[in-house]
Amino acid sequence: GAVVSQHPSRVICKSGTSVKIECRSLDFQATTMFWYRQFPKQSLMLMATSNEGSKATYEQGVEKDKFLINHASLTLSTLTVTSAHPEDSSFYICSARAGLYEQYFGPGTRLTVT
Amino acid sequence: AQSVAQPEDQVNVAEGNPLTVKCTYSVSGNPYLFWYVQYPNRGLQFLLKYITGDNLVKGSYGFEAEFNKSQTSFHLKKPSALVSDSALYFCAVSRPTRDDKIIFGKGTRLHILP
Repeated sequence: GAVVSQHPSRVICKSGTSVKIECRSLDFQATTMFWYRQFPKQSLMLMATSNEGSKATYEQGVEKDKFLINHASLTLSTLTVTSAHPEDSSFYICSARAGLYEQYFGPGTRLTVT
Repeated sequence: AQSVAQPEDQVNVAEGNPLTVKCTYSVSGNPYLFWYVQYPNRGLQFLLKYITGDNLVKGSYGFEAEFNKSQTSFHLKKPSALVSDSALYFCAVSRPTRDDKIIFGKGTRLHILP
């Protein structure tokens, strides 16, 4: 099946710094990738839709200047959390669309901002 | 806008007994429906999907789900539960349009008691 990787799996950063998370589709090309965040014991919240070669589409309430998304190739999308604060600590999950219907999810990145 | 409801936060089932995890949805037009499972600190694993065709869908690890259009439900079932089935289960819906983002339910934690 299709495999999606994320790097890093876990990151700790200081408040005010920026962190970049990578999402890669390993064995297929993905014109569309999605970024979610998940708080403890809660569901996944869609943050943005990332389209290769164009600007990301952000969901209502998500700050696009805070969460920078770049989808520079058909196998890579990156999420940069800028000027991170403790409230940005969360589990970030990406997914890549394969075919018409299915999305395959990465293993997630645990971000802790101290 | 589409939405998904999982009415149970937690379901407890004795090992060997049948299990059901409930899901209802709301979407305009024909839905695409999905079930995913998440283990602690992991990404989501795809279990099964309904796109069209037979209402009973069979998926991974012995799980199945039945699409009921009149009741707008897509309950997840398994005839005989295993302790290893204990995890967090998410029902999700999307629409067969270009706006194909997946919307997740809040999740149901399944505990299989030995």
